[in-house]
Amino acid sequence: QVQLQQSGPGLVKPSQTLSLTCAISGDSISSKTAAWNWIRQSPSRGLEWLGRTYYRSKWFNDYAVSVKSRITINPDTSKNQFSLQLNSVTPEDTAVYYCARDRGVGSTLFDYWGQGTLVTVSS
Amino acid sequence: DIQMTQSPSSLSASVGDRVTITCQASQDISNFLNWYQQKPGRAPKLLVYDASSLETGVPSRFSGSGSGTDFTFTISSLQPEDIATYYCQQYDNLRVTFGPGTKVDIK
Repeated sequence: QVQLQQSGPGLVKPSQTLSLTCAISGDSISSKTAAWNWIRQSPSRGLEWLGRTYYRSKWFNDYAVSVKSRITINPDTSKNQFSLQLNSVTPEDTAVYYCARDRGVGSTLFDYWGQGTLVTVSS
Repeated sequence: DIQMTQSPSSLSASVGDRVTITCQASQDISNFLNWYQQKPGRAPKLLVYDASSLETGVPSRFSGSGSGTDFTFTISSLQPEDIATYYCQQYDNLRVTFGPGTKVDIK
C-alpha cells in the first residue's frame, strides 16, 4: 500500500520561498513507471497541477506554465521523498498543497495522494 | 490550454436516485479523462480512469463513459456516503487540468 506523508510549514511570508516535502512509503521515488506530482487547491483557482519529477534512466521534471519561473521539484533518493519549492510567493499562492503519485500506466492520473498541507501566505 | 467544463455545478438528489454529471473538453482528448471524488477536508480519490475504467476497490455503482470532448460520470444509485464534490481531470501534452467540480448532496 502506497502512502505519501507531507511535511512543511503552514505559514510563509510574501516574497519568501514555500517549501514542502513528501515522504513515500510502499513505492520508490526512482520507480521507472511512476511520476511524483505536486497539486494545489484554492477556492479561486480550483485544483491546479504544479509539476512532477520522475526517473526514466535519468531524472526529468515538468512544470505548469503558470509557475514555471518559480518552481523546483527535487527527488531525494536517500530518503525516498521529493520536495516542492515555490519562490517569490504572494497571497495568491495560498492554497492546500497535495503531493500525488501518477502510477504511469496509460493516461496521467493520480492514484495516491498526501494528506494535504494548508499553506497561507501572509505577513 | 484545454479547458474543462462540468455541469451541473451542484445537484441534490434522493438516496437511490441515478445521478449524472457531464464534463466537456474544449478539444478532443480521446479517452484521457479521469474522475475523482473529494470529501470535505480530504484529498481527492480516483474513481474512474481512461473515461470508463473503474479503479480497483471502487463500488460498481460508479461508472464513466465518453470519448473525444464529451464525457459522463454516473452514480447508478446514490448512497449517503457519496456526498462529495466530483471532479473530472484531463491530460494532454504535459498539461493537466481539472474541471471546476460538481457538488452532490442529499435532498
